[in-house]
Amino acid sequence: GNSVTQMEGPVTLSEEAFLTINCTYTATGYPSLFWYVQYPGEGLQLLLKATKADDKGSNKGFEATYRKETTSFHLEKGSVQVSDSAVYFCALIIYSGAGSYQLTFGKGTKLSVIP
Amino acid sequence: DTAVSQTPKYLVTQMGNDKSIKCEQNLGHDTMYWYKQDSKKFLKIMFSYNNKELIINETVPNRFSPKSPDKAHLNLHINSLELGDSAVYFCASSPRIAASYEQYFGPGTRLTVT
Repeated sequence: GNSVTQMEGPVTLSEEAFLTINCTYTATGYPSLFWYVQYPGEGLQLLLKATKADDKGSNKGFEATYRKETTSFHLEKGSVQVSDSAVYFCALIIYSGAGSYQLTFGKGTKLSVIP
Repeated sequence: DTAVSQTPKYLVTQMGNDKSIKCEQNLGHDTMYWYKQDSKKFLKIMFSYNNKELIINETVPNRFSPKSPDKAHLNLHINSLELGDSAVYFCASSPRIAASYEQYFGPGTRLTVT
């Protein structure tokens, strides 16, 4: 079946540090890939997405590139801020035939940024 | 002008009771979803409706029953509540069910079963 594996958290960084959150997937086919962010007490929000191989999604200084050869979609940011403290979810959606789609989320990675 | 709204935000109830959570989206989307997020933040899809038709029905106890009176609403009814049902339940919507569309999430309903 399809699955998403994220690095275990929590991740604690100092402000202005470089961030990488690893995400790898297994899928029978060609999924679209997403990063969602969940701030404390809120629902998830889309951070960025990529729908085909070699696409790069970017938003708010975050980037992730869809790497088909390594089945990865790692999230990066060059300089994190305290306001980036949240839980980050990697997700995929893939057509599974007969009009059906499968949605799978990773387990989430909690990021804490300290001043 | 809330895009995806859920009521109630908090729900505390006793084991064995029946409860409902309501969800409405004003985005004009065709597809709506219910997710369960446990205490470890693990997010699992439960159901999805596209134009009032059930299209995703994951392995969920049949005490959980979704109902979609129209494509802007997807309610979740839970019978005979159990302690393990305590979680945050998120509703979401997307323009349609397709690989390229992201989802828009509601603020969540925190259900506590005592």
